[in-house]
Amino acid sequence: KNQVEQSPQSLIILEGKNCTLQCNYTVSPFSNLRWYKQDTGRGPVSLTIMTFSENTKSNGRYTATLDADTKQSSLHITASQLSDSASYICVVTRSSGYSTLTFGKGTMLLVSP
Amino acid sequence: EPEVTQTPSHQVTQMGQEVILRCVPISNHLYFYWYRQILGQKVEFLVSFYNNEISEKSEIFDDQFSVERPDGSNFTLKIRSTKLEDSAMYFCASPRGNEQFFGPGTRLTVL
Repeated sequence: KNQVEQSPQSLIILEGKNCTLQCNYTVSPFSNLRWYKQDTGRGPVSLTIMTFSENTKSNGRYTATLDADTKQSSLHITASQLSDSASYICVVTRSSGYSTLTFGKGTMLLVSP
Repeated sequence: EPEVTQTPSHQVTQMGQEVILRCVPISNHLYFYWYRQILGQKVEFLVSFYNNEISEKSEIFDDQFSVERPDGSNFTLKIRSTKLEDSAMYFCASPRGNEQFFGPGTRLTVL
């Protein structure tokens, strides 16, 4: 069954600290993996997207890694800011082209002052 | 970032009523998606629509649901005879390249 599992379910960190969110997936065949940020009551906004051949991709203070062999990904947030408080969702696309996305449940991050 | 718009932002309806949710995807796109997110749960795929036809649909997308393209730029999701469990955020998404751009969502509350 195609699944995306994320951990932790929620996380509280102090402003300025770093954190790492985890994602494991069983989606096959794999096309790409995305990390989205979703503010409460808003639509998801793309942070990074990685294909099979990419191991690392950065977008500002966000750095995503992908290990396609172990089917694991992580999202590292550096020097967290209050505005980083949101749900971070790992999403895997099953095949190339305009195929459906399989969503994880997300990690709810709260950055505390 | 390309903009996808949705209306209304909030919709409250009585159980059994019909609702129509609207989306304006990235201009000139023929392909778009509808997703829903029940409060506290993950985003779930409903249906993809390409060139005036349903391309793929999930188990959730039963006969209660329908999608249309009433004109060149608007897409709609119709929910007939709404149930309490239809209460959720409904997102449309429009792809460009490998990216999917989500609209802000419509919050549907069924009473």
